[in-house]
This record gives sequence, C-alpha cells and structure tokens, in this order.
Amino acid sequence: AQSVTQPDIHITVSEGASLELRCNYSYGATPYLFWYVQSPGQGLQLLLKYFSGDTLVQGIKGFEAEFKRSQSSFNLRKPSVHWSDAAEYFCAVGSLSGTYKYIFGTGTRLKVLA
Amino acid sequence: GAVVSQHPSWVICKSGTSVKIECRSLDFQATTMFWYRQFPKQSLMLMATSNEGSKATYEQGVEKDKFLINHASLTLSTLTVTSAHPEDSSFYICSATLDAHNEQFFGPGTRLTVL
Repeated sequence: AQSVTQPDIHITVSEGASLELRCNYSYGATPYLFWYVQSPGQGLQLLLKYFSGDTLVQGIKGFEAEFKRSQSSFNLRKPSVHWSDAAEYFCAVGSLSGTYKYIFGTGTRLKVLA
Repeated sequence: GAVVSQHPSWVICKSGTSVKIECRSLDFQATTMFWYRQFPKQSLMLMATSNEGSKATYEQGVEKDKFLINHASLTLSTLTVTSAHPEDSSFYICSATLDAHNEQFFGPGTRLTVL
C-alpha cells in the first residue's frame, strides 16, 4: 500500500541554523512528490515538487529537496532558517495516473528559536 | 495562475443544520476536485474525489449521505455537510487539478464549527 512517513512530529531549530525535514514513501513506482507548508489556520502552500529529471529540486523561500530512489526518501532542506519558517510541513505523494490522489504524511511542526 | 478559492472561510452553525462550502477554480477549468478534512494538529485526510458531471467517489469511512458533493461545472464544486454535529467541526480544504498534470492546487480552507 502507498504510504508517506514523516518521522519527526516536532523539530526545533535556532534561527540561522540549517534544517532537514525527513520524508519517506512507499510506492510501487517513481511517484510524484511534493512538500507543502501550512501556517496556523491557513491553507497549503506548495514549496516544491518532483516529477522527474534532476533529483535535487529547488523551491520557494530557499528550500530544496532531494529525491533518493534507493532510500525512498524526499527530504526537505534549508541552509539557514528564518523565524518566519515556523509552520507545519507536509510531504505528499501523488499518484502517477488515474485518480491523481495525494497521500499526505502526518506533518512536521517546525519551531524556530530566536 | 491556478488559483482556488473557498467560500466561506469560516462558518459557525447550530447542530442539526446543513452547511454548504464552495470551491472554485478561478483561472482554470478543473475536471477533478478533491475534498479533504483536517482535524487540529493532524494531517489532511481525503474525503472524496469529485469529477465534473459525475458522482463523487468517496473514501472508505466517509458517509456520502452526510457529506454531499456536487461538481456541476468545471470551476465549481460544493460540499454540503448535512445535519451537522459538533464532531463535524473541522477544517475543510478543497483542491483542484488540471488534467494530465497531476498537481493539485489547494484552496485556503474553510473552518467549520458546529455548536
């Protein structure tokens, strides 16, 4: 069965420190992969996506993610975190065909210390 | 481009009443729309997939008679929560997709509170 795992429920980093949020997926083939950010009471904002090609994907707000097929991972990174990055982050896997459904991970809540 | 709106952004209703939430794709035609619900501090759970002009496909465990979905046009899908109860209080988010792109564009969400 398809699944997405975000092992870290909460992460706290200091402002200016580097960040890595983990995402592992289970899927029968190469999936479409997404990272979204959600501020409290708000909808989802797409940070970046991977469909094919270069496995290192650049997104908005200085985020990047790397698709590693051998590890079934799509970890999100940022070299220097800003206080405004505090939010909930969701990894999602998209179906390659047919239903176009997404499966979301459980989310990682990021706290940034001043 | 690819903007999705939801209306209302929040609603409070009495137990037993019905509430309709609209999801619109503003600058594109969406043959497929999705409805999710999100409980506080939890992830998004897909409720149903809505295709224009046909019946919605509900996920396992979602009551189709309670959560009525209508996708009457390529830019509008509605979710009606019938006979709402406090346990239906949640954040409802819709998304829309362009055919063959497999990328969903999300609305800003609707906060439903049932008293």
